Amino acid sequence: AQSVTQLGSHVSVSEGALVLLRCNYSSSVPPYLFWYVQYPNQGLQLLLKYTTGATLVKGINGFEAEFKKSETSFHLTKPSAHMSDAAEYFCAVIETDSWGKLQFGAGTQVVVTP
Amino acid sequence: DTAVSQTPKYLVTQMGNDKSIKCEQNLGHDTMYWYKQDSKKFLKIMFSYNNKELIINETVPNRFSPKSPDKAHLNLHINSLELGDSAVYFCASSQRTPGANVLTFGAGSRLTVL
Repeated sequence: AQSVTQLGSHVSVSEGALVLLRCNYSSSVPPYLFWYVQYPNQGLQLLLKYTTGATLVKGINGFEAEFKKSETSFHLTKPSAHMSDAAEYFCAVIETDSWGKLQFGAGTQVVVTP
Repeated sequence: DTAVSQTPKYLVTQMGNDKSIKCEQNLGHDTMYWYKQDSKKFLKIMFSYNNKELIINETVPNRFSPKSPDKAHLNLHINSLELGDSAVYFCASSQRTPGANVLTFGAGSRLTVL
């Protein structure tokens, strides 16, 4: 069975600083990988996904993530944090042919300070 | 036009009551899901339907009964509500295609059991 580990339940960054959120998965076969964002009192919105091909994936709002098979990681970055990036971020995986059964990490709350 | 809409957004009720949450999607997707987000923000899949057929049924108490009258609607009925059922319930939909299914989430229904 898949598992997803997000390092750090809370991350505080200064406005303009690098945002780095870590995600590792456990699988013998690379799954499909996703990052979702949840703004307060809202549903989840897809930031980006990795399926196959280029390992550096660009998403919305200036975020990108890099799939590293050797490290079983899919870390999310943004070069310069904005106040509007304050939200909960979830890494998730789907095993192939699992009928879209997304398995989520525990989430990382990002706080952006002026 | 809201892509995945859930009603009600908030639900406060007493232990032992029965309640329902409704979900509708206008994306033309063939697969719908119910996820539960607990007080620690952890997200876990409960059920999924593909073209009205139940395809994912996680370890959920049988007090929870999903129903999909058509592929655009998925309802969740909960009998004999317990304190532990308090959570945010998210509906989601996707189109099952080869490769990764990208889920579109509703805004959530916050259930509080007193």
